Amino acid sequence: DSGVTQTPKHLITATGQRVTLRCSPRSGDLSVYWYQQSLDQGLQFLIQYYNGEERAKGNILERFSAQQFPDLHSELNLSSLELGDSALYFCASSPLWGPYEQYFGPGTRLTVT
Amino acid sequence: SQQGEEDPQALSIQEGENATMNCSYKTSINNLQWYRQNSGRGLVHLILIRSNEREKHSGRLRVTLDTSKKSSSLLITASRAADTASYFCATDALIQGAQKLVFGQGTRLTINP
Repeated sequence: DSGVTQTPKHLITATGQRVTLRCSPRSGDLSVYWYQQSLDQGLQFLIQYYNGEERAKGNILERFSAQQFPDLHSELNLSSLELGDSALYFCASSPLWGPYEQYFGPGTRLTVT
Repeated sequence: SQQGEEDPQALSIQEGENATMNCSYKTSINNLQWYRQNSGRGLVHLILIRSNEREKHSGRLRVTLDTSKKSSSLLITASRAADTASYFCATDALIQGAQKLVFGQGTRLTINP
């Protein structure tokens, strides 16, 4: 158990809908990262927050947004969902920002039908 | 394209044999990390090797780093069925002014009993 929690575990929704994925980092970790993993694209970095502030953006679509709250939990919002958004979404945390060891949550499997 | 690329894409060996996976990357790095992912689960950090280190051990794992060739290898000795997983290397890359981790596509390792 990494100490990172993600909810929900599975999510099935229809095209055009909006969903929110939640992540609680390990106790004491200030950085939260979001990744998308699909069969054809591999593990793609989406966005990183550090202590409530956005630090870096990766391949995140404009239909996606995220935030980190004062208690350090984070939410990833996906809107106007398309079939291609079906994937595993992982949250990871680390104590600092930068290329250090990251602790991954169990992931949320999103299926868009 | 990915900063790190693993080779081979898939590897199947008998239990008890050694497994070697390679990772090549393009730009200079501060460190390189290896992660393991069991099917559909979150990634688990295995080992981090810094750019000024050449070799590192952790239990049955041995990682080497050759910065002149921009490559790393992960050796798992005396493999077990429980080692069946995908293995990813991750290198740091500069994205929008911040050092981020970039993951390769992974090597799928199957240990046959």
